[in-house]
Amino acid sequence: AQKVTQAQTEISVVEKEDVTLDCVYETRDTTYYLFWYKQPPSGELVFLIRRNSFDEQNEISGRYSWNFQKSTSSFNFTITASQVVDSAVYFCALTSFSGGSYIPTFGRGTSLIVHP
Amino acid sequence: EAQVTQNPRYLITVTGKKLTVTCSQNMNHEYMSWYRQDPGLGLRQIYYSMNVEVTDKGDVPEGYKVSRKEKRNFPLILESPSPNQTSLYFCASSRQDSNQPQHFGDGTRLSIL
Repeated sequence: AQKVTQAQTEISVVEKEDVTLDCVYETRDTTYYLFWYKQPPSGELVFLIRRNSFDEQNEISGRYSWNFQKSTSSFNFTITASQVVDSAVYFCALTSFSGGSYIPTFGRGTSLIVHP
Repeated sequence: EAQVTQNPRYLITVTGKKLTVTCSQNMNHEYMSWYRQDPGLGLRQIYYSMNVEVTDKGDVPEGYKVSRKEKRNFPLILESPSPNQTSLYFCASSRQDSNQPQHFGDGTRLSIL
């Protein structure tokens, strides 16, 4: 069975602070994919990033960065200089191959509130 | 514009009255799936489909049916809805399989009284 744990239920920061959202996963498979999705207050789910298990390079996209560490089974997401528009629920997800298909598992989400 | 369209967006209904939530995508994606989102539980997969006429159960399939007669459509059917199916539902699609980024619809908020 696979599992994704987002231990932080809610994080509250003031604008311009840096914030890291944690994601810890469990899987027995050697081939798997990790994702982050954003759900702003309007409710839609927006894809942010995908990483496969063979690529441990960290990634930076503007104010967003992701730190993938297989040794600790973590795929953490950092927002630098947070802005009010970053307020959203963020979901970490894992898919790994089982029974002929990739099975997706989502974490419970971290609600990020950025205060002006 | 590439999109996943769900209808209705909101529905309040009563226990036992059959309902269908439609989902359509215009990206020619093979993979489609349904999720429900409940507070504190994240997204849980209900059913998925790898292609036309190929469907399979996700984590929480009880009380739901699906069909995939055309590549673009993947309706979710609640034959006899119950209050515990009150939730926010999302349809999603992706190329080939769920190891690809999923494109989500805007969600359908169902209330079963």
